[in-house]
Amino acid sequence: AQKITQTQPGMFVQEKEAVTLDCTYDTSDPSYGLFWYKQPSSGEMIFLIYQGSYDQQNATEGRYSLNFQKARKSANLVISASQLGDSAMYFCAMREITTGANSKLTFGKGITLSVRP
Amino acid sequence: NAGVMQNPRHLVRRRGQEARLRCSPMKGHSHVYWYRQLPEEGLKFMVYLQKENIIDESGMPKERFSAEFPKEGPSILRIQQVVRGDSAAYFCASSPPMDPEAFFGQGTRLTVV
Repeated sequence: AQKITQTQPGMFVQEKEAVTLDCTYDTSDPSYGLFWYKQPSSGEMIFLIYQGSYDQQNATEGRYSLNFQKARKSANLVISASQLGDSAMYFCAMREITTGANSKLTFGKGITLSVRP
Repeated sequence: NAGVMQNPRHLVRRRGQEARLRCSPMKGHSHVYWYRQLPEEGLKFMVYLQKENIIDESGMPKERFSAEFPKEGPSILRIQQVVRGDSAAYFCASSPPMDPEAFFGQGTRLTVV
């Protein structure tokens, strides 16, 4: 069974600094996708970044990058140059693709990030 | 290209009433998913549908909950005889065929009083 683990307590970062949010996963499926979503206090789920298990390079999207370490089964999100608007809950999620590209997402419990001015 | 549209954004129901939550996927997306988020928790998968078919309902409670995605119109998540424990945020997501990316609507926050 697939599983996502996010165990960090609430994270704090100074504005303009970088921060790493941890995510480990467990799956027996050789083909899978890893996602990060941001959920601000307003409640919507905002897609940030995606990494496929067979992608050769780590994914990057603007200030977001995914530190993908396949052997360790970790997919940490790195946010560079933090902004006050980055304060939110962050969820890591996984989809097993061998069973179908459109199979369900499994989410971690999330990490709260607070950016200090 | 509008995103995933969910309505209503907020829904209040008395215990025993029915709740109907609607989701219109993004244009070109034929796969719809429903997730539930309890306070201070992550999203839990409920059901995955394609047009007129339920593909995976392994996360749906056996009683009172049902979902459909008709050939025409939005996907509907229906909760009959709501109880206080049904109070949660319900999110819909959609994906295009053969593409693992998933995009979420803004959610419907159901409060049972």
